[in-house]
Parts: sequence; C-alpha cells; structure tokens
Amino acid sequence: EPEVTQTPSHQVTQMGQEVILRCVPISNHLYFYWYRQILGQKVEFLVSFYNNEISEKSEIFDDQFSVERPDGSNFTLKIRSTKLEDSAMYFCASRDTTIYEQYFGPGTRLTVT
Amino acid sequence: RKEVEQDPGPFNVPEGATVAFNCTYSNSASQSFFWYRQDCRKEPKLLMSVYSSGNEDGRFTAQLNRASQYISLLIRDSKLSDSATYLCVAAGGGNNRLAFGKGNQVVVIP
Repeated sequence: EPEVTQTPSHQVTQMGQEVILRCVPISNHLYFYWYRQILGQKVEFLVSFYNNEISEKSEIFDDQFSVERPDGSNFTLKIRSTKLEDSAMYFCASRDTTIYEQYFGPGTRLTVT
Repeated sequence: RKEVEQDPGPFNVPEGATVAFNCTYSNSASQSFFWYRQDCRKEPKLLMSVYSSGNEDGRFTAQLNRASQYISLLIRDSKLSDSATYLCVAAGGGNNRLAFGKGNQVVVIP
C-alpha cells in the first residue's frame, strides 16, 4: 500500500539554526500539506500546496517558514531560524484530486534546544 | 470559538462494551468530515469518512448531523486494540485543510 514517508524521524537543533524537514508524498497525489502537533495539544494546519504554489497557510506559517517541491517526489518544510516553541511533531500529508481524504506520514519530531 | 470541539475523556471502556462519543464543529462551510485514530506519538491514521446518511465500517459507525453541526462515532464490541485517541476532523477551505479536535482518548480495559 502506498504511503507518505518523512525524514528524519527525529531532529535536534539549536535555537536560531535552520532545519529542513523532508517528505515524499504518495506518488499520484497532487495536494500536499504540513501540520504540526505540539506535545499534548491538537494537530494544527500549517500550509497547503498545490500546482507548485502555496494555496493556503495558517497564521502559524510566518516568514520563518517556507515550503518547496524541489523535484517530482520530495516536498520540504524549512524553518529558517528555529525557536524553542517550534519544538513539535511535524506531519506531512497528501491527497488525491478526486477524494478529500488526507494520508499522513509518520512525522518528524523536532526538538529545539 | 474552537473549530472542532471534543470532550477529551479519557473514556474507560470494558472490553466487549460499546462506546460512543461526539464532537461539534463551528464552521458551517465545512465540506467533509472524518474520524482519524492516533496512537501515542504516532501519526493520525484515517479511520473513516463521515457521510450525512451515516456509514458503518465493521464495528465502527459514524454519523453526521449538518443541522446541529455534530459528528458522532460509535464503537461496538470494543477490543483492547481499540485503545487510542480518536480525532474528529472537519475539512474546509478551497484545498480542504483539516481542522482537528483535541481527540477522545479511549482506554479499553480487559
């Protein structure tokens, strides 16, 4: 069964450093998403991406965040200068054009020290 | 007002019993609804979509009431493996971003 994959599974970084989280969505999917979940809290939407551009972003997704689809398979989330409060699980998701169900990757646990 | 509200629980359920819980959503423009299951420190996994007519998948039944903006999930004959957090989700916006509730934590007890 096709699945969304994410790397790394865990990233530890120092405050102020840049991090890039990587995702490989399901191959025939065209809509891509990033969500985050701070420990003990609900899953929150960050950004959606379609047709090589951001289609919607939340207020969390400020100028420190960016997304890119550098090639036909990868989808990345970059945080330019990490803060302590960026520590969370980051989930990538993708969906088909015809159905609304989104499938999630296993997540990257980001720890900012 | 939160977009999706759920009573987090925990819901302690004897094995074999039936458990039901529900959530409410605030955005009347939401188009699609789902229940996801999340195990501790894992990703949300799609359990089922929720349709206005109600739908069933094995021991799981989901219902949607658009007039009251209310979604429910019922689990029959609970198994130990059903222990997890069940996330109520509403999709909206042009690209169907998902709005999650905090989840209903279910603990099935032998």
